Amino acid sequence: DARVTQTPRHKVTEMGQEVTMRCQPILGHNTVFWYRQTMMQGLELLAYFRNRAPLDDSGMPKDRFSAEMPDATLATLKIQPSEPRDSAVYFCASGLGQLYGYTFGSGTRLTVV
Amino acid sequence: LAKTTQPISMDSYEGQEVNITCSHNNIATNDYITWYQQFPSQGPRFIIQGYKTKVTNEVASLFIPADRKSSTLSLPRVSLSDTAVYYCLVGVINDYKLSFGAGTTVTVRA
Repeated sequence: DARVTQTPRHKVTEMGQEVTMRCQPILGHNTVFWYRQTMMQGLELLAYFRNRAPLDDSGMPKDRFSAEMPDATLATLKIQPSEPRDSAVYFCASGLGQLYGYTFGSGTRLTVV
Repeated sequence: LAKTTQPISMDSYEGQEVNITCSHNNIATNDYITWYQQFPSQGPRFIIQGYKTKVTNEVASLFIPADRKSSTLSLPRVSLSDTAVYYCLVGVINDYKLSFGAGTTVTVRA
């Protein structure tokens, strides 16, 4: 089965450090999402792209988060500087549209100490 | 996006059928109903989608009454491995945005 690949799977970093998470969407998928999941807030949509163009990043704290798709095979989510409240699991998902469902990666578990 | 309401949690035993009902009273004409499943330490997984009546696949069945104000996800003969969070989502099919609620935690016991 085709899968969405996220790296790293786990990341522990100190407060103030830059964190970059990467996602390789399924080949041919034109829509890519970034979600954050915590026990308190559940799944929060941070940003999404269609054909590499950002459509909505209103869920993302703009002062420290940035999301990009430098090419069709790579999406990145960067946090600079990181804070303890950013500790969460970050998921990437890709797909062709709601009609077909979206495929999620296994996530990056981020811990900021 | 139509607001959805589903139970916070449900308990079941192996071999039983589990039915999770989702209420979406303000569903719009163009909205579809989609269910995702999330196992611990994994991302959500698309399991089924429908517009009206009944949809069945190898994982589950989705029942949608004529007024479409609710829908029921049916998991036949559950096993321990069906323990997961199940999310009901309602939205326009060509709206790419996907918003998750709290979901229903289904716990299957031996």
